[in-house]
Amino acid sequence: DAGITQSPRHKVTETGTPVTLRCHQTENHRYMYWYRQDPGHGLRLIHYSYGVKDTDKGEVSDGYSVSRSKTEDFLLTLESATSSQTSVYFCAISGTSNYGYTFGSGTRLTVV
Amino acid sequence: GESVGLHLPTLSVQEGDNSIINCAYSNSASDYFIWYKQESGKGPQFIIDIRSNMDKRQGQRVTVLLNKTVKHLSLQIAATQPGDSAVYFCAEQGRSQGNLIFGKGTKLSVKP
Repeated sequence: DAGITQSPRHKVTETGTPVTLRCHQTENHRYMYWYRQDPGHGLRLIHYSYGVKDTDKGEVSDGYSVSRSKTEDFLLTLESATSSQTSVYFCAISGTSNYGYTFGSGTRLTVV
Repeated sequence: GESVGLHLPTLSVQEGDNSIINCAYSNSASDYFIWYKQESGKGPQFIIDIRSNMDKRQGQRVTVLLNKTVKHLSLQIAATQPGDSAVYFCAEQGRSQGNLIFGKGTKLSVKP
């Protein structure tokens, strides 16, 4: 997927546990995004980053935090996972702010 | 995965026919538009884009039409093939708005 890797691809976790998803890119792109995708809702933006240590909230940021200590890595953390956070999570990258995104293959997270 | 296609409008076409997928966008200030294709179990994949100073753009077997008057975007796929079966999303972005906003998608089903 054009130099973008998400890990893990699948994860099952218990309610109340912390979970961290990783997005790694080799394109040296400035912008990175985390989306969740749910039936009936499409892709919804959780958080995004416009540079190292520069992040901002998206549409559905409650219950999530992010960190970007290096250009290539963007981490999404669920501090205390809930069943409503069961979803497919996609990372995306972009070289500029007004151009299309390249998406990773996704992480399917199930919170039981 | 398969859950991406749930609750979505579905377009069913015969192999070899042309497909037209429509999208109504929300922001009259949006000046950049993209169509993405998402196959089962994969991340969205860029198909074609168009900027607001154009009303038509062609790619390989695909054409995007933009009607700014009625805020409508369409994707035409010529000679539709079974491999075109997927969910198709439109996305819009404004000049002063850094993030893409995605539509909910249309599921295209191609009958052999």
